[in-house]
Amino acid sequence: GAGVSQSPSNKVTEKGKDVELRCDPISGHTALYWYRQRLGQGLEFLIYFQGNSAPDKSGLPSDRFSAERTGESVSTLTIQRTQQEDSAVYLCASSPHYWLSEQYFGPGTRLTVT
Amino acid sequence: AQKITQTQPGMFVQEKEAVTLDCTYDTSDPSYGLFWYKQPSSGEMIFLIYQGSYDQQNATEGRYSLNFQKARKSANLVISASQLGDSAMYFCAMRGDSGAGSYQLTFGKGTKLSVIP
Repeated sequence: GAGVSQSPSNKVTEKGKDVELRCDPISGHTALYWYRQRLGQGLEFLIYFQGNSAPDKSGLPSDRFSAERTGESVSTLTIQRTQQEDSAVYLCASSPHYWLSEQYFGPGTRLTVT
Repeated sequence: AQKITQTQPGMFVQEKEAVTLDCTYDTSDPSYGLFWYKQPSSGEMIFLIYQGSYDQQNATEGRYSLNFQKARKSANLVISASQLGDSAMYFCAMRGDSGAGSYQLTFGKGTKLSVIP
């Protein structure tokens, strides 16, 4: 079956512009997660959705970051007024329920802010 | 708060040999789960193996086994009979069973494994 997909795979943007990153989770998975991976680092948790609600937004690094999820499916991570330190790979994961062990990851979006 | 430490930035192993990747963790949760993920150069995170803190036996999945030593708070990954396709970054991660740690994975910084023909 289809795995987690993300688009675009690569995004280059100028400092100060807004970007939207999209995640399509595995069909039927109610839990969705966004992580950020800076070059040479592990993954940092950003936000988690259970259904369409986000019980925990504490990982979002600033108020320039926001995310939404609709129809218990697609999620969009939006970064406003991008900065060079936002350059990273943004990974999305999903799981059938939040308490189950395994999170299935997408291929990520590589964001470069020039 | 949870913390994962991977002290080996890079490792080399000869093809067909076994290799152990180190992982230590810290948590105040009474129960938790430990994971290993593989990240090839393509960037996708691939789940390898899971160990629950109350599991009596060490987890195994094919050529992967997890050497879980609860008292030492270590969860080392052992890869037997290394293959060239095993060359990748390997991340240890954990999930607690309470609060924020119950859904977010906390990752270590990773170990880059290179398999030598």
